[in-house]
Amino acid sequence: KQEVTQIPAALSVPEGENLVLNCSFTDSAIYNLQWFRQDPGKGLTSLLLIQSSQREQTSGRLNASLDKSSGRSTLYIAASQPGDSATYLCAVTTWDDYKLSFGAGTTVTVRA
Amino acid sequence: EAQVTQNPRYLITVTGKKLTVTCSQNMNHEYMSWYRQDPGLGLRQIYYSMNVEVTDKGDVPEGYKVSRKEKRNFPLILESPSPNQTSLYFCASGTGGAGNTIYFGEGSWLTVV
Repeated sequence: KQEVTQIPAALSVPEGENLVLNCSFTDSAIYNLQWFRQDPGKGLTSLLLIQSSQREQTSGRLNASLDKSSGRSTLYIAASQPGDSATYLCAVTTWDDYKLSFGAGTTVTVRA
Repeated sequence: EAQVTQNPRYLITVTGKKLTVTCSQNMNHEYMSWYRQDPGLGLRQIYYSMNVEVTDKGDVPEGYKVSRKEKRNFPLILESPSPNQTSLYFCASGTGGAGNTIYFGEGSWLTVV
């Protein structure tokens, strides 16, 4: 069974600092990996999707890398802003059964 | 506008009273899925569907039923709700395939007393 772990569980940084969020998974036979953002009481918004054949994806201040062999992904958020405060979740789709497994998330607070 | 719409958004019901949470998407997506989110347990997949009339169990299917008679709709049925099904439920859809970006609904808060 795929296990997805996110470290740290919570992170508080001053505005302008770069954020580094980590995600690890146990089964490297993945279809893709996605990073989501969730605001309190709200649904999830997809930030980046990395297909299994890709190494990274970038969107604005966000960059996500994928090392499938070691079972790791990292989300970088450059020059953080208070509006980046949210919970960030990574999710992995496993190849054989197409199940989507989520990590528990990293809750980020960016202090003004 | 691309949307995944869930109803109801908030519901308090009593143990044993059958209920259905509807989910509809307007993006012609083949893939649809239901999740529940609980404090300390994160998001867990209940059921998913790769296409019309094709459904599969996720990690926590007990006590739930689904059907996929039309591509756009994927209702979640609780035949006899129990208090341990009190949770925040999300419906999601996607195109399928390796580039399957997932779109989520706003969530349905369900309380079973």
